[in-house]
Amino acid sequence: GAVVSQHPSWVICKSGTSVKIECRSLDFQATTMFWYRQFPKQSLMLMATSNEGSKATYEQGVEKDKFLINHASLTLSTLTVTSAHPEDSSFYICSARDGGQFRVDQPQHFGDGTRLSIL
Amino acid sequence: ELKVEQNPLFLSMQEGKNYTIYCNYSTTSDRLYWYRQDPGKSLESLFVLLSNGAVKQEGRLMASLDTKARLSTLHITAAVHDLSATYFCAVKMTGTASKLTFGTGTRLQVTL
Repeated sequence: GAVVSQHPSWVICKSGTSVKIECRSLDFQATTMFWYRQFPKQSLMLMATSNEGSKATYEQGVEKDKFLINHASLTLSTLTVTSAHPEDSSFYICSARDGGQFRVDQPQHFGDGTRLSIL
Repeated sequence: ELKVEQNPLFLSMQEGKNYTIYCNYSTTSDRLYWYRQDPGKSLESLFVLLSNGAVKQEGRLMASLDTKARLSTLHITAAVHDLSATYFCAVKMTGTASKLTFGTGTRLQVTL
C-alpha cells in the first residue's frame, strides 16, 4: 500500500536553531501534502497545505515565515521550523493523498511523525 | 468554519463490553474518516465513509454515517485490550480539496 516516510522521527535542538523535516511519498506521486501539528493529548491541527510547484496555503494563525514549506517534487515536501523556540516543541505529522488514484474513498496516508523538542 | 466534536473524550471500559464513540460535525461533508493513533505514533486509517447510511466493519469496529444528522459513530463490540488507543474522526468539507478537519479525539482504554 501507499507509504509516506517522514524524517527525522525525533529531534532535539537548542532554541534559535532551524530544523528541517522531510516528508516523502515512497510509491506514489502526491501533488498535495499536508502538514499537521499535534500537542500532547490534543488533536491534529492543520498547519498548511503543500502544493507541488507552487506556494503553500497556510491556515489562519500559522506564521508562514516561521514554518517554511517547500514542495519541489511530486514525492517530497519539507517543513522548516526557523529560529525554533520551546513553544514550537510538538509532534509534526505530514500526510499525502495518492494523486494517481481516482477512487473517492482513497484515504490520506500519514507519515510516522516527527517529535520536535526545543530546549 | 467546520467544527468537529467527538464524545466521549476519554473512555475506560472492560474487555468484552460494547460502546459507541460519536462524531458530530457542523457543515456539509462529502467524506468522513476514522483513524487510530497509538501513543507516540502516527495515524492509521480505519474507515472512509462517503454517503448517507454508509456502514463499514472491520473486526470489532463498525463505523456508520448519517449525513442528515451530521453524525458518525464508531461502535466497539466486545472490546479487547489491543483496541486501546486514541480514535479520531476527520471530516472533509464539501468543496475543499482533501483538507481534513479533525475531531478532538477519544482516548480509549480497555482494561482486563
